[in-house]
Amino acid sequence: DTEVTQTPKHLVMGMTNKKSLKCEQHMGHRAMYWYKQKAKKPPELMFVYSYEKLSINESVPSRFSPECPNSSLLNLHLHALQPEDSALYLCASTQGVAYNEQFFGPGTRLTVL
Amino acid sequence: GIQVEQSPPDLILQEGANSTLRCNFSDSVNNLQWFHQNPWGQLINLFYIPSGTKQNGRLSATTVATERYSLLYISSSQTTDSGVYFCAVEYSGGSNYKLTFGKGTLLTVNP
Repeated sequence: DTEVTQTPKHLVMGMTNKKSLKCEQHMGHRAMYWYKQKAKKPPELMFVYSYEKLSINESVPSRFSPECPNSSLLNLHLHALQPEDSALYLCASTQGVAYNEQFFGPGTRLTVL
Repeated sequence: GIQVEQSPPDLILQEGANSTLRCNFSDSVNNLQWFHQNPWGQLINLFYIPSGTKQNGRLSATTVATERYSLLYISSSQTTDSGVYFCAVEYSGGSNYKLTFGKGTLLTVNP
């Protein structure tokens, strides 16, 4: 099973709302990732968790708060977002640290009003 | 950091035609992947190919790491091949986890 799942598929939120994105994998992978993708652009890395610890934060604004409750689950908590944060949010996972194939989920399409 | 350039940026084909997509990178890499992003946004793994040649059905890929390029071949294209094809590399001199993506090739296959 090489599947990464993400919920919800679509999310519309106001600038004062708090919402969360969820990502799950059951491949036994130990690294999980959040990417942001704007239209007609490649994905941009936001966060990396390795063995449930935050390893990389690509200078993401604090209105995005990641959480890794266990090795299979990754959340992205959203608060006080701006309209320019509207994008496709992709989750990915790899087995380990380096030289690993990344597997992506289907994404959550977020619209901030 | 590493630079990843893909060509062509756009490609329009008739169904049944063959095509070659290219990915050039500016430095040594641990990992190179080709992805297809379908119209719904899903990034589908095509190949994990840091070096050598692989084939999967109508698709094949070759990476020549010493010359810093990779090629993706699509034969007998179908309308379902439409979408954006991304090359992504893991730079040997950078963070172990980080994939650097090229800007992609937008492929349109017409019936």
